[in-house]
Amino acid sequence: TQLLEQSPQFLSIQEGENLTVYCNSSSVFSSLQWYRQEPGEGPVLLVTVVTGGEVKKLKRLTFQFGDARKDSSLHITAAQPGDTGLYLCAARHASGGSYIPTFGRGTSLIVHP
Amino acid sequence: NAGVTQTPKFQVLKTGQSMTLQCAQDMNHEYMSWYRQDPGMGLRLIHYSVGAGITDQGEVPNGYNVSRSTTEDFPLRLLSAAPSQTSVYFCASSYSQGTVGYGYTFGSGTRLTVV
Repeated sequence: TQLLEQSPQFLSIQEGENLTVYCNSSSVFSSLQWYRQEPGEGPVLLVTVVTGGEVKKLKRLTFQFGDARKDSSLHITAAQPGDTGLYLCAARHASGGSYIPTFGRGTSLIVHP
Repeated sequence: NAGVTQTPKFQVLKTGQSMTLQCAQDMNHEYMSWYRQDPGMGLRLIHYSVGAGITDQGEVPNGYNVSRSTTEDFPLRLLSAAPSQTSVYFCASSYSQGTVGYGYTFGSGTRLTVV
């Protein structure tokens, strides 16, 4: 099983702070997705990155794919309570056969008002 | 609204009982998967299907069966429920691997407790 390591596991911050969460593997990814999961709901896709070095922005969220396609980061600027949730990365490794992604264990974020 | 529909949302079973978790999608997605989510364990793949009539095992298949007779439906059967199967179950669907850059659409989950 090819593993995706997410860090930190937990993050508790005040409204207005910035934060970065990470997703790493020893294997090369062909593509990577970030999801956000709110309590009692299923994960919702935020973004997909495909090209090494790619940067995508979604309002206050910035997603970066490492040049070697082995890691990714999610940066949130001026966090708000509505950003609270579990952030999951999922990736298909370049050596994989069909697209059945591997999920990381997630970063649980709490933003306090 | 288009999406993935899971039923029931909540279920309590007694050890040894069987049941079927239903999953349906109306997006004509080829790929469908079942995951279970447990605290600290993330999403673990139970079974998946790459098209009607084709299924395969994931990481934690024991105690579960699936079938895919239509593109839309992908039910998950618990054969003889055990307390270790207490979990939140998610069904997800996506386009085929030929479509680069897509992701999964998830259902809202079934919370199962086995007593």
